[in-house]
Amino acid sequence: GAGVSQTPSNKVTEKGKYVELRCDPISGHTALYWYRQSLGQGPEFLIYFQGTGAADDSGLPNDRFFAVRPEGSVSTLKIQRTERGDSAVYLCASSLERGGGARTGELFFGEGSRLTVL
Amino acid sequence: SQQGEEDPQALSIQEGENATMNCSYKTSINNLQWYRQNSGRGLVHLILIRSNEREKHSGRLRVTLDTSKKSSSLLITASRAADTASYFCATDGQGGKLIFGQGTELSVKP
Repeated sequence: GAGVSQTPSNKVTEKGKYVELRCDPISGHTALYWYRQSLGQGPEFLIYFQGTGAADDSGLPNDRFFAVRPEGSVSTLKIQRTERGDSAVYLCASSLERGGGARTGELFFGEGSRLTVL
Repeated sequence: SQQGEEDPQALSIQEGENATMNCSYKTSINNLQWYRQNSGRGLVHLILIRSNEREKHSGRLRVTLDTSKKSSSLLITASRAADTASYFCATDGQGGKLIFGQGTELSVKP
C-alpha cells in the first residue's frame, strides 16, 4: 500500500490477556517507530528500529512490552499480561532517513491501533 | 518522556485570523518538526526546520526557530475551519528518536 498500515484498528481485551499489534510500513523505509498516545496527550516514544534491529527501546515502559521486526519491514508490538493502564492508541510511523545522530527526517504515521483493556 | 512543551494548550480563533503556537524544548537538536493531527487520526507532517535555519515557509505556514532560546513557533495565516486540529512539535536531539510535545489544540470557528 501507499501508506503505513496498522492492524487491528481497534482491539478490546481483558486484563491479563496477550495482545499483538501489527505495523506495515511504507516500502523501502528503513526506520520504524512505535509511539503510544493517551487522550489529550502527545505521542509518547516507545521504540524505534533501524532495519531489523531495535536502535532505541528506551521508551518501553516495562518488560511486558516487546517489539520485533524480523525482516526489516513489518513490525509487531507485543504486550503481555495487559493492564487497564495500557489502554491507549498505539501509533506506528516509518521514515526513509536514518536516525541515531544523523538527520531524522519526516515520519509517516499510520492511523493507529486503539487498545482498550477492560 | 516529553521533550517539548507547547503553548497555549488550547487556542480558539475565528476564520481568517492568524494562529500562533509555541514550542520549547530542552536539549540540543538537529532539527525540529511540526505535525498536525485531526481527531482520531494519525499525525501528518507539516514542516521541518533544521538547527541552522531560523525561518521557513510552506504555503500558509511559517515556522521560526531560536536555538539560543530552545524555542520554535508555528504561525498559520488566514486560518480556515479545516485547520481545526491538534498541532505538535517534535525534536530529534536524543539519539535520533523523535520526541513530541503535548500539543496545542486549535479550534477555528467559521
